[in-house]
Amino acid sequence: KQEVTQIPAALSVPEGENLVLNCSFTDSAIYNLQWFRQDPGKGLTSLLLIQSSQREQTSGRLNASLDKSSGRSTLYIAASQPGDSATYLCAVSGSTGNQFYFGTGTSLTVIP
Amino acid sequence: DTAVSQTPKYLVTQMGNDKSIKCEQNLGHDTMYWYKQDSKKFLKIMFSYNNKELIINETVPNRFSPKSPDKAHLNLHINSLELGDSAVYFCASSGGTAEAFFGQGTRLTVV
Repeated sequence: KQEVTQIPAALSVPEGENLVLNCSFTDSAIYNLQWFRQDPGKGLTSLLLIQSSQREQTSGRLNASLDKSSGRSTLYIAASQPGDSATYLCAVSGSTGNQFYFGTGTSLTVIP
Repeated sequence: DTAVSQTPKYLVTQMGNDKSIKCEQNLGHDTMYWYKQDSKKFLKIMFSYNNKELIINETVPNRFSPKSPDKAHLNLHINSLELGDSAVYFCASSGGTAEAFFGQGTRLTVV
């Protein structure tokens, strides 16, 4: 069964710093990988989707990479801002794309 | 225009009651899901429907019964609520690219 791990569990950085969040998964037979952001008491907002055939995706200050063979993905956030403070979740979908397995999340705090 | 909407947002009820949570998506997706987020914020799938057909039912007590009247709606009915059912329940949908879109969640508190 797919297991998804995110490291670190919590991260606190000063504003302006570049940072990397890590996600690892045990079964490389995935359909895609998706990064989400969750603000306290809110739903999940999709940040980036990487299909299994892709290596990376970029959106603004965010860049996500995928190394399917090693079961790893990273989310790079450039020039962090206080508004980036949230929990970041990584999810991989099974080979049929009909189920998403979530990591435990990284709680990010950006200090002004 | 909300893509995935679920109601109610908050639900407080007594043990033993029966309650329903409704979900609707206007994205034209074929697949809909229910996820449960526990007190440690971990998200776990409960059910997955594709074109109104149940395709995934993860070891969920049979007190939980999903119903999909059409592919835009997936409702969750819970019988005989227990304290341990307290959690945030998320509805989601996905289409051809399998990109998931989530609703805002329903915070269920059983007292």
